[in-house]
Amino acid sequence: QSVLTQPPSVSGAPGQRVTISCTGSSSSIGAGYDVHWYQQLPGTAPKLLIYGNSNRPSGVPDRFSGSKSGTSASLAITGLQAEDEADYYCQSFDRSLWTYVFGTGTKLTVL
Amino acid sequence: QITLRESGPTLVKATQTLTLTCTFSGFSLTTSGMGVAWIRQPPGKALEWLALIYWDGDKRYSPSLKNRLSITKDTSKDQVVLTMTNMDPVDTATYFCAHNFYRGELRNWFDPWGQGTLVTVSS
Repeated sequence: QSVLTQPPSVSGAPGQRVTISCTGSSSSIGAGYDVHWYQQLPGTAPKLLIYGNSNRPSGVPDRFSGSKSGTSASLAITGLQAEDEADYYCQSFDRSLWTYVFGTGTKLTVL
Repeated sequence: QITLRESGPTLVKATQTLTLTCTFSGFSLTTSGMGVAWIRQPPGKALEWLALIYWDGDKRYSPSLKNRLSITKDTSKDQVVLTMTNMDPVDTATYFCAHNFYRGELRNWFDPWGQGTLVTVSS
């Protein structure tokens, strides 16, 4: 079950900026648990994109950035490129369920 | 470089038990902090965390599936095995294993992931 809510889809033209929201609750993101983001290209496994709310692993372009505030988090992608077209998932922990939780997923379309 | 690879049956029948193996390299499950998780994704749907095992034998399970799951490790083979009992067509999904380094639930993430294996449950 997904207890982190994301918009089903977002889109943007090449070069534009898009943001993807991830809304949790007082028992997950609002309780201080970090948010992490994954990119899943078509037909492939998820790849870590952002960890600890706003940190990029080595090799991830600085066009990708993350932030967290209250019970929500956001992923921003600037300078949109065709290769960014993928599904994006947020992940955190929920202490009331005592389980790791993923977002509902957002499909990014580059127009 | 850490790599993981899932293996197991591609087709199981309802009520049967599924056994999946994750074979990894680039780290050892005897090293403090190391862990391996299982995560699944039904076709066209979101990711769902299933289970996690750590270097010290600590095991964590999804509360909603806890009664059906078992996770074990074989450090001599660098493998982690997940079993899921009483399979149902709704369990049809791609099953991934992923590396985890324990930082506490406050800041735990999964990286990298295996390529995944699609398991179909027939009725």
